[in-house]
Amino acid sequence: GQSLEQPSEVTAVEGAIVQINCTYQTSGFYGLSWYQQHDGGAPTFLSYNALDGLEETGRFSSFLSRSDSYGYLLLQELQMKDSASYFCAVNTGRRALTFGSGTRLQVQP
Amino acid sequence: DVKVTQSSRYLVKRTGEKVFLECVQDMDHENMFWYRQDPGLGLRLIYFSYDVKMKEKGDIPEGYSVSREKKERFSLILESASTNQTSMYLCASTGQGSNQPQHFGDGTRLSIL
Repeated sequence: GQSLEQPSEVTAVEGAIVQINCTYQTSGFYGLSWYQQHDGGAPTFLSYNALDGLEETGRFSSFLSRSDSYGYLLLQELQMKDSASYFCAVNTGRRALTFGSGTRLQVQP
Repeated sequence: DVKVTQSSRYLVKRTGEKVFLECVQDMDHENMFWYRQDPGLGLRLIYFSYDVKMKEKGDIPEGYSVSREKKERFSLILESASTNQTSMYLCASTGQGSNQPQHFGDGTRLSIL
């Protein structure tokens, strides 16, 4: 079967750096995505990694190691508005994504 | 900007009713998806469609069916609603290509009494 593991909750303070890990076990792999979802809101796309390495988009970076079946989302200079749930998702090649159960990030002042 | 619109934000129905959830996207996307989201379980795929009148079962299709008569519209149908189908339902769409992001609607919070 397919499984994605990510921590259920992470807490950090404003201005800090936080890393949210995701390990996956899937029957196919084309890429790893990250989505952000604020309470009551729709998930929104943050990043996509198809190849090994680090992708940077402003304060957010995402990393992938295909050999380790592992990726992470790195959030720098944390702001209160970053408090949200973060989901990793694998593209297994069937057009649909397989999502992890989500990591709830709480940013404290 | 891509707009995915779900017909209802909140819906309350009774056990045994036939329930229709509607989703419309305005970007001519080929692929559309229905997920349900429950606390601690993330987003689970119910059904998806990659073309008009085409559909594929996701991971939890039991108790659900779908309809895609037009490219922009994807409907989720609960044939006979049950209390364990109380959940948040999210619709998404995406264009062709494995790296295309999914665009989500705001969700329908469905309660079955």
